Amino acid sequence: QSVLTQPPSVSGAPGQRVTISCTGSSSNIGAGYDVHWYQQLPGTAPKLLIYGNSNRPSGVPDRFSGSKSGTSASLAITGLQAEDEADYYCQSYDSGGGVFGGGTKLTVL
Amino acid sequence: EVQLLESGGGLVQPGGSLRLSCAASGFTFSSYAMSWVRQAPGKGLEWVSAISGSGGSTYYADSVKGRFTISRDNSKNTLYLQMNSLRAEDTAVYYCAKYDSSRVYASVCDYWGQGTLVTVSS
Repeated sequence: QSVLTQPPSVSGAPGQRVTISCTGSSSNIGAGYDVHWYQQLPGTAPKLLIYGNSNRPSGVPDRFSGSKSGTSASLAITGLQAEDEADYYCQSYDSGGGVFGGGTKLTVL
Repeated sequence: EVQLLESGGGLVQPGGSLRLSCAASGFTFSSYAMSWVRQAPGKGLEWVSAISGSGGSTYYADSVKGRFTISRDNSKNTLYLQMNSLRAEDTAVYYCAKYDSSRVYASVCDYWGQGTLVTVSS
């Protein structure tokens, strides 16, 4: 069982908007630690998508955005495209190390 | 260009040992903390261990504490993970990842290697 809780799956049609939640606790997200998001395409290594709650690395489209409030964070993807179909993971820090969410599989219908 | 190349994975019997290596290039290795993250077949990511840029601070997940040891050789730009007393549940792809600062605290893994598969089975 992961320290951070994500929905196992979400789906949306091309062009639509989807959100993925990440719920933590007072020892990680609620303690003020940043949340980061990774995208993992099938058969590949994870790639940094959002860092520091809401910042995009160079090259990540602005269709991807992140937010954080209290003990939770969210990843939003607008204008869904077929190539967005992947697994998404949130990550934060908790008493001595990193913690991940269980991952969310995004299906583009 | 940042490159991280893991090696050392393979098949090992339960109770056995294995040492993973991660050769880094394209950045000043000693200035950045490093981490190992694993992914069991068909499962999610699990943070395993991390080490500060100087090597003076190390961190472990409870699941590997006392069995795994992370270390680094800044003169060789190489990260290591010594894995002892291996169990079937340690079977996973092990990724090496670079943090964006010299410390683990409040940092993010901005680059990842392609991973090396460790299989623990008799």
